[in-house]
Amino acid sequence: DADVTQTPRNRITKTGKRIMLECSQTKGHDRMYWYRQDPGLGLRLIYYSFDVKDINKGEISDGYSVSRQAQAKFSLSLESAIPNQTALYFCATSKTGDYGYTFGSGTRLTVV
Amino acid sequence: AQRVTQPEKLLSVFKGAPVELKCNYSYSGSPELFWYVQYSRQRLQLLLRHISRESIKGFTADLNKGETSFHLKKPFAQEEDSAMYYCALSSTGRRALTFGSGTRLQVQP
Repeated sequence: DADVTQTPRNRITKTGKRIMLECSQTKGHDRMYWYRQDPGLGLRLIYYSFDVKDINKGEISDGYSVSRQAQAKFSLSLESAIPNQTALYFCATSKTGDYGYTFGSGTRLTVV
Repeated sequence: AQRVTQPEKLLSVFKGAPVELKCNYSYSGSPELFWYVQYSRQRLQLLLRHISRESIKGFTADLNKGETSFHLKKPFAQEEDSAMYYCALSSTGRRALTFGSGTRLQVQP
């Protein structure tokens, strides 16, 4: 079983729709992250959480929100999707003091 | 602000040739540097970190604070090394990793 699971794997949505991407982990890690990957831009940080009650904006948080429902779950929401949010989204986890991330397999989101 | 620069989008070499993937960073403090790799149809995974000074799959990387670089090297490339490579930096304190834009390594037979 995968230890960092992202759902859905692929999603096509329309402009203006609200969509939620989910991430769950069985690693027991306290830290969780959301990144988006775009060709030529690498991975850019959207939000990160060091604890259930500790959520922080990354470099590109506009248009996104997150929820840390439990230590093992970290969801990313697009309140009103727009085409330039079309990307591959990755969830990652780590434990405090260790930047060896464990990544999920990614969610490919297309906004039409 | 911290930044990681990988100047090459694509590096193509022949099997058995030496490989050097470049990474430069900007950060005023003492960074921790990492290399992550993403093989085709696999997840992004940690390859090595500068603190451990290890060699993984024949790859090494040395942190050069004077040149603010952390280049990834391998003396003899193998076809299975073909992948996307990302350099990443963490700063002291609470921040998450900052990734470079990535370099695709193609090792031709």
